[in-house]
Amino acid sequence: QKEVEQNSGPLSVPEGAIASLNCTYSDRVSQSFFWYRQYSGKSPELIMSIYSNGDKEDGRFTAQLNKASQYVSLLIRDSQPSDSATYLCAVSPHLLNTGNQFYFGTGTSLTVIP
Amino acid sequence: ETGVTQSPTHLIKTRGQQVTLRCSSQSGHNTVSWYQQALGQGPQFIFQYYREEENGRGNFPPRFSGLQFPNYSSELNVNALELDDSALYLCASSKQGLALYEQYFGPGTRLTVT
Repeated sequence: QKEVEQNSGPLSVPEGAIASLNCTYSDRVSQSFFWYRQYSGKSPELIMSIYSNGDKEDGRFTAQLNKASQYVSLLIRDSQPSDSATYLCAVSPHLLNTGNQFYFGTGTSLTVIP
Repeated sequence: ETGVTQSPTHLIKTRGQQVTLRCSSQSGHNTVSWYQQALGQGPQFIFQYYREEENGRGNFPPRFSGLQFPNYSSELNVNALELDDSALYLCASSKQGLALYEQYFGPGTRLTVT
């Protein structure tokens, strides 16, 4: 069973601060990594995808991947109250395999305090 | 908005009944994946449909079945409903059934089994 582990939180940061969300995964062959944001009562919304080691930046969001350590993180700069949500880490095993399923963590609840 | 639609939004069923949930994929996407999300948990992969065939299945019993139609829309059928089937059912569409491709979720169907 492939496992994706996230700290459930809640994580609280003041407005304007950097929020750091972490995720570890157990399957070494995992190749595709995704971060989703889920507001209460809503469906997950894709924020970032990352496939190679290193950093990937998109606006206030930066995803970091370290395959050797089996670790992926999401940094949110200049956190806003509207960033308050649950952040889900998803992992998929093979780039070119069909029938890809995403394995999700249980999510980290983030609260940005005004 | 992702362009993925699901119906109905909410549904209440009695234990032992059968239910059909529907999903229309985003324009340009030919693959649909179904997930079950229990309260406080991450989404769990049920199965994926690509080219009208099941293209991968998670750890769900055979009473969970599905279809994909030529227009890439999809149905999820659950027979002999159990109380534990109460959850948010999410449909996600992607370009192909490959791990390389990002999955975009619809708004979900909230199923309550009493």
